[in-house]
Amino acid sequence: KQEVTQIPAALSVPEGENLVLNCSFTDSAIYNLQWFRQDPGKGLTSLLLIQSSQREQTSGRLNASLDKSSGRSTLYIAASQPGDSATYLCAVCKISSGSARQLTFGSGTQLTVLP
Amino acid sequence: DTGVSQDPRHKITKRGQNVTFRCDPISEHNRLYWYRQTLGQGPEFLTYFQNEAQLEKSRLLSDRFSAERPKGSFSTLEIQRTEQGDSAMYLCASSSPGQGQPQHFGDGTRLSIL
Repeated sequence: KQEVTQIPAALSVPEGENLVLNCSFTDSAIYNLQWFRQDPGKGLTSLLLIQSSQREQTSGRLNASLDKSSGRSTLYIAASQPGDSATYLCAVCKISSGSARQLTFGSGTQLTVLP
Repeated sequence: DTGVSQDPRHKITKRGQNVTFRCDPISEHNRLYWYRQTLGQGPEFLTYFQNEAQLEKSRLLSDRFSAERPKGSFSTLEIQRTEQGDSAMYLCASSSPGQGQPQHFGDGTRLSIL
């Protein structure tokens, strides 16, 4: 059974700092890994998707890496801003015998960027 | 592209009542997912549709839960005889055909059972 762990559970940093969020998963047989952002009481906003054949993806100040063999991904946020405050979730899409591409999520890292 | 739309945003009901939620996926997406999220946890998979066919159901989906996608467009999730433990955020996601496509989520329906 796929298990996804995110460390730390919560993180508080001053504005302008670069930071790294960690995600680990137990089963390396995955199609892809997706990072999401969730604001309080809201749904999930997709940030980056890394296919299993890729090593990293970048979007603006965000960079996500994937090491499938070790079951790890990191989300790097450069020059953090108060508007980055949210919960960040990683999710893996496991290869299965069925057609569903269901995601297995970690519990998230709650990020607070202090002005 | 109007995004995934869910209705209602909030639902408060008494224990034992039936509730129904609706999800309108992104129009060209043939894949539709339902997830449930409780406080402080990541979403958990409930069920999956490809077009109108429900192809996979989690063991979390007890027989009090039923989901439909009758014409391969919008979907409904019904919970019968609600229980306290059903209180959660119910999220819908959709994706386009093909491997490795990202899932796009709606804002969810928050269910509170009194």
